[in-house]
Amino acid sequence: DTGVSQDPRHKITKRGQNVTFRCDPISEHNRLYWYRQTLGQGPEFLTYFQNEAQLEKSRLLSDRFSAERPKGSFSTLEIQRTEQGDSAMYLCASSSPWLAGDFGELFFGEGSRLTVL
Amino acid sequence: GNSVTQMEGPVTLSEEAFLTINCTYTATGYPSLFWYVQYPGEGLQLLLKATKADDKGSNKGFEATYRKETTSFHLEKGSVQVSDSAVYFCALSAAPRTGANSKLTFGKGITLSVRP
Repeated sequence: DTGVSQDPRHKITKRGQNVTFRCDPISEHNRLYWYRQTLGQGPEFLTYFQNEAQLEKSRLLSDRFSAERPKGSFSTLEIQRTEQGDSAMYLCASSSPWLAGDFGELFFGEGSRLTVL
Repeated sequence: GNSVTQMEGPVTLSEEAFLTINCTYTATGYPSLFWYVQYPGEGLQLLLKATKADDKGSNKGFEATYRKETTSFHLEKGSVQVSDSAVYFCALSAAPRTGANSKLTFGKGITLSVRP
């Protein structure tokens, strides 16, 4: 079990550029989540996949954001035309309801920090 | 909607002091409750959890009891150490056990600093 891994760990970009983050969940987990965390705040839910299906999107996820999980394994989160307000830590988490019961426990990666200049 | 409210921080304590971090929640149904911890430079990790009323979660000397009557899940530790310095988040999952989306709703977090 290598845990949830995210790449890159830190991305600095100029306003208007596109960025993409990748998340590799724990291999036997079929659920994958993206969260955003800004300074002094708790993580906020963005979107959720069960296998390859994107089942829920938060209103925080504007049209400039798109997430995919094409084969039900890794996921990507793309932000188009970045704005300074997109600067945050983007967290990925995974879980499985069929391992040790489903009590809502999520396993988090270390996050990808985005800085938009 | 679901929400979690944590006491305002930061909190600074001396080593071996008693710690209480308050957390209250609003949710429909019977949520599961969690405390996550984020050590400097690391990702969020589960500290403890409780899945039904009156359950007590415990780990690493920390405890929290699920109080449905007061909708609270306060975190306590009898004697803190310098290594406990971290950010602590209270969270709830509103749809456990149903197979539905078990996304977590987090509080704002509180920074704990423990002095030697």
